[in-house]
Amino acid sequence: QLQVQESGPGLVKPSETLSLTCTVSGGSISSSSYYWGWIRQPPGKGLEWIGSIYYRGITYYNPSLKSRVTISVDTSKNQFSLKLSSVTAADTAVYYCARQARGDYYDSSGYSAPLLGFDPWGQGTLVTVSS
Amino acid sequence: QSALTQPASVSGSPGQSITISCTGTSSDVGGYNYVSWYQQHPGKAPKLMIYDVSNRPSGVSNRFSGSKSGNTASLTISGLQAEDEADYYCSSYTSSSTLSYVFGTGTKVTVL
Repeated sequence: QLQVQESGPGLVKPSETLSLTCTVSGGSISSSSYYWGWIRQPPGKGLEWIGSIYYRGITYYNPSLKSRVTISVDTSKNQFSLKLSSVTAADTAVYYCARQARGDYYDSSGYSAPLLGFDPWGQGTLVTVSS
Repeated sequence: QSALTQPASVSGSPGQSITISCTGTSSDVGGYNYVSWYQQHPGKAPKLMIYDVSNRPSGVSNRFSGSKSGNTASLTISGLQAEDEADYYCSSYTSSSTLSYVFGTGTKVTVL
């Protein structure tokens, strides 16, 4: 049974870079059927998609965070990582990693591989931005 | 991109059926059959309940069902049980900019 698990510092200072790693176990990250994504949830608020990556290194980011986010993949370690730069208190949240299904279809624009549902999710890790 | 719109709260008595709506646009909910629904209990990670509008993952109760009409998707919980009290989020693939993904605003379900 595939599992994902977040790891990284729980406290980051303002203006610094938040770095988290997600380790995939029980399956390969190098699957053509999936993306691997990051989602966050500020305390008491809703879910926000941060971005997703395909094992070949193709990335998709939330436009509202794109200028500060980098997601990378290390297939040799079966891990993918998140970096969020120039953090502020507004970036305090529980950060989740998850496997994301990858669809495919053809239309007038050609081929697309849409980002679909997340399953399974990691347990989440609280990252607090504070000096 | 804007979050999909959900009612803040929905409530029902045990045994009743409730429906949660999720309204988007023709670039997301209305344009593709790629709506998912998640259940989240307090302090826990979200759990996928419905994918591709109306499909249930293995192990999810058949009391949960999904549908879509135009730009609005719906999650129906029938035979409401105390354990169904949780937050529910819809989500969708969106082509509004680059390939992207968007969550709904979330709905708190209360079992009276």
